[in-house]
This record gives sequence, structure tokens and C-alpha cells, in this order.
Amino acid sequence: DSGVTQTPKHLITATGQRVTLRCSPRSGDLSVYWYQQSLDQGLQFLIQYYNGEERAKGNILERFSAQQFPDLHSELNLSSLELGDSALYFCASSVTPRGGEKLFFGSGTQLSVL
Amino acid sequence: AQTVTQSQPEMSVQEAETVTLSCTYDTSESDYYLFWYKQPPSRQMILVIRQEAYKQQNATENRFSVNFQKAAKSFSLKISDSQLGDAAMYFCAYRNAGNMLTFGGGTRLMVKP
Repeated sequence: DSGVTQTPKHLITATGQRVTLRCSPRSGDLSVYWYQQSLDQGLQFLIQYYNGEERAKGNILERFSAQQFPDLHSELNLSSLELGDSALYFCASSVTPRGGEKLFFGSGTQLSVL
Repeated sequence: AQTVTQSQPEMSVQEAETVTLSCTYDTSESDYYLFWYKQPPSRQMILVIRQEAYKQQNATENRFSVNFQKAAKSFSLKISDSQLGDAAMYFCAYRNAGNMLTFGGGTRLMVKP
């Protein structure tokens, strides 16, 4: 168990809908990262937060947004969902955002858009 | 942008034997970190080993070791005494001071009893 909790584990929804994925980092970790894993795109970095502030942005669509709350949990909001958004969404956390820090991953949220 | 390439989509090894997974990366930076992550069928991403680019000595974690060739931008993972539990997808990853962790496409390792 990595200590990173993601809910829900599975999510099935329809095109055009909006969903929220939740992540609770390991105790003491201030940095949270979101990744998308799909068959065609592989593992893609979406966005990173550190202590409530956005730190780095990757290939995140405009339809997607995220935030980190004062209690350090993070939410990833996906709107106007398309079939191609079906993927496994990972959250990871680390103590600091430094490059050498180990990232600890949650077990992911499997999103299926029908 | 940094790229990470794993040229072996699938590898197979006999139990108790040794296998090497390949990884190359492209970067113009001098300060970075390299990682190998394992993803078993449970989907959990598990850190296997980490290498700092400024260190010449290759990292080792029990049966797992790396061959880091900085000039060649190569970072291979050697698994010794392979066990059935080693069967998984293995991802090579690169991370610079800008914090973004970039993953390769993965190598599926099968372990034959």
C-alpha cells in the first residue's frame, strides 16, 4: 500500500458528462501529481500541485481542471467527456516537488466513457 | 521536450534467470533523475529503482540493478534470479528539475516457470 488513496476505483459515465476524481496524498506529502494512462497515449503527465499551488502543467486538456485543497487532497475534474477520455487516471504524491523525490502512486481510477 | 524510449514491447525470461530491459532517453539537460517503475496486474505503479544522473555508480536494489550510460543516454534494468512475481509492465521514467516525470512506452515482462 503506497498510502495514496484514490476514489472512486471505477467510474462509468456517458459522453458529455462531468466527473470528479479524488486523491488523498500520503501523510506529510505536499506535492500531488495527476497522470493519465491510456492504450494509445501511454502514461501522460497532466498536472502537478505543491501545497495548494499549481506547479507544472503537462498535456492537460482545457476540458480538464484540477485543484489542491488546504487539507492537501486534490481533485481532477473532467468535463464534456469524450470516448477518448476513457483511461486509467493516477494520482501520485511526494514530500516535495524536487526532481529526485520518489513519487508514490495510488491505485488509480478507471474511467469508462460510453 | 524529453523523450523516453523502451524498444522492447515484450520480454520473456525463465524463472531464476537474468533479464535486461532497455531504455534510452533524449535530453539536453545535465541534472536529472531516472527511474524504473513496475506495474503488476493490480495496476499499482511501484518504484523499483532510482538513479541520479550526477552519480557514476549504478544503483542497486536487491535483485534489481541498472546500467546507466550517461553519454549514451541509456538506462537499462537488470533483474537477477527472476521470480514469478516479477511478471509485470516495466516503465522507464525521466525527471528533470522542472518536476515533470516522463514515461517510456513500457515493456511487458513474462516469467516462465
